[in-house]
Amino acid sequence: AQSVTQLDSQVPVFEEAPVELRCNYSSSVSVYLFWYVQYPNQGLQLLLKYLSGSTLVKGINGFEAEFNKSQTSFHLRKPSVHISDTAEYFCAVSATGGGNKLTFGTGTQLKVEL
Amino acid sequence: DTGVSQNPRHKITKRGQNVTFRCDPISEHNRLYWYRQTLGQGPEFLTYFQNEAQLEKSRLLSDRFSAERPKGSFSTLEIQRTEQGDSAMYLCASSLAATTSGYTFGSGTRLTVV
Repeated sequence: AQSVTQLDSQVPVFEEAPVELRCNYSSSVSVYLFWYVQYPNQGLQLLLKYLSGSTLVKGINGFEAEFNKSQTSFHLRKPSVHISDTAEYFCAVSATGGGNKLTFGTGTQLKVEL
Repeated sequence: DTGVSQNPRHKITKRGQNVTFRCDPISEHNRLYWYRQTLGQGPEFLTYFQNEAQLEKSRLLSDRFSAERPKGSFSTLEIQRTEQGDSAMYLCASSLAATTSGYTFGSGTRLTVV
């Protein structure tokens, strides 16, 4: 089984400042890693994913994440945030074999302020 | 392609009533997933189908819950004898089997049991 820990439930940040949203995972098997964004009363949209290869992954809207196997982390970063980035962000994992079932963290609410 | 469509968007029901939700996946996607998301939490896996076969069910899915995917196209999730604890957002997602591209989520059905 897999589990995901998102250490920060809320992250306030000023517009144009950098941000990092933290994600740690636990798994006894190899995993794929994902970040999703959810706007109010919406479904989830895929931001980026790590499958294999380069540990630095770039996604949509200027976000990137780095896979660190030794620390079992997959932190999400953006060098300069915009008001429109205000949303809930979810880290998720799935085992590399079978089903594609996702296990999500509890989410981090990113609030961008002027 | 209009993405994953879920109906209704909102449902308010009295405790003890039965409710049914519908999900129309992306047409070429043969996998369909149901998740439940309660306030302040990440989505939790309920069940998934590959074509018309229901391949996995979570222990979260009590006997009051049933899901079907006749003919491997749309899916329905029925909750019998609803309880207040069933109040949540019910999310549907679809993907191609054995894909690593992540899911496409619908906008969800928000159920309120009063």
